[in-house]
Amino acid sequence: KQEVTQIPAALSVPEGENLVLNCSFTDSAIYNLQWFRQDPGKGLTSLLLIQSSQREQTSGRLNASLDKSSGRSTLYIAASQPGDSATYLCAAPRGYQKVTFGIGTKLQVIP
Amino acid sequence: DTGVSQNPRHKITKRGQNVTFRCDPISEHNRLYWYRQTLGQGPEFLTYFQNEAQLEKSRLLSDRFSAERPKGSFSTLEIQRTEQGDSAMYLCASSQRVAPNTPQYFGPGTRLTVL
Repeated sequence: KQEVTQIPAALSVPEGENLVLNCSFTDSAIYNLQWFRQDPGKGLTSLLLIQSSQREQTSGRLNASLDKSSGRSTLYIAASQPGDSATYLCAAPRGYQKVTFGIGTKLQVIP
Repeated sequence: DTGVSQNPRHKITKRGQNVTFRCDPISEHNRLYWYRQTLGQGPEFLTYFQNEAQLEKSRLLSDRFSAERPKGSFSTLEIQRTEQGDSAMYLCASSQRVAPNTPQYFGPGTRLTVL
């Protein structure tokens, strides 16, 4: 059974700071790992998907890394902005179908 | 392509009533997933369709829950005899059956409140 843990559960940083969100998973036999953003009361927005054969993916100010052997992924956000305030979820699929999510990291960027 | 859509966005019902939610996936996606998310938790997998076939169901999907995807396009999730514990956000996602390394795209969710 895949278990996904995200640390920290909540994070508050001043605007402009660089930050790292952590995700760990127990079953390293994953096809990919996906990072999502969720605004309060809303659905999930896909940010980055890292294939199992890749070590990292970048999109704008976001960079996600994947280390399958250690069961870890990080999401790096550069030059944080108040608009980045949201909950960030990582998800690791077990097989083709079922995706297991972490509880998420609630980020607040203070102007 | 307008993405995954879900209706209704909000549903308030009394305990014991039946409710039905609808999900319209991205048009070329043949995989469709339902998840449930309670406050402060990550989404939990409920069930999964490939075309019209329901291929996997979670233990969370009690016999009061039923999901269908009759023509391999839209899907419905019905909850019978709702209970207060069913209050949650119900999320639908879709993906293409090209390879396992394809992302899931999520809809905005249906928030259910059972009084």
